[in-house]
Amino acid sequence: NAGVTQTPKFQVLKTGQSMTLQCAQDMNHEYMSWYRQDPGMGLRLIHYSVGAGITDQGEVPNGYNVSRSTTEDFPLRLLSAAPSQTSVYFCASSYSRKTGDYNQPQHFGDGTRLSIL
Amino acid sequence: AQSVTQLDSHVSVSEGTPVLLRCNYSSSYSPSLFWYVQHPNKGLQLLLKYTSAATLVKGINGFEAEFKKSETSFHLTKPSAHMSDAAEYFCVVRYSGGGADGLTFGKGTHLIIQP
Repeated sequence: NAGVTQTPKFQVLKTGQSMTLQCAQDMNHEYMSWYRQDPGMGLRLIHYSVGAGITDQGEVPNGYNVSRSTTEDFPLRLLSAAPSQTSVYFCASSYSRKTGDYNQPQHFGDGTRLSIL
Repeated sequence: AQSVTQLDSHVSVSEGTPVLLRCNYSSSYSPSLFWYVQHPNKGLQLLLKYTSAATLVKGINGFEAEFKKSETSFHLTKPSAHMSDAAEYFCVVRYSGGGADGLTFGKGTHLIIQP
């Protein structure tokens, strides 16, 4: 079982470039989310999705875009990269609250380390 | 507003000695609480969770945590540290409101194991 797969693992961009971070899960999870991790800040929620066709903003959504056309995939797009977006990005998935258990653990990918020059 | 405070940014212990990672939360009602571990260049992995059942929760790799409502604490412990326990640990609180998963992450505690 692959779990949550993120690609690429590393990326260097120039300011102003755009790119898409890929995330795929094979656990049929309805809930998927994107976090960024910065030193001393813990994880902060960027965007999330409770199912295909449904997305919403988290705590720090500016400069990022998402879509959810299938249950499996939840790509994160940087529209115009800025140095402040240098970070480690994690995708996570879990069962949705529709299952009745709101405390299912999050399953995390191994992260994408992104540097913006 | 929900918040979670990990009281130590770094903890250093010797191999074979006990581990204590401290976490306090603020909440107007009993939350759900989690501890996650992150090894270098990896994603976060669930260690254990508290969801209003037994106040002493046992997790993987010999870790356990005790929920103390009167102290609003959820400290993580292990009787004897292994070198493989060296990692970043996150205390996470969940609230039931809103459309997101409701998770609030602590800023992390870096656990160092001395040989």
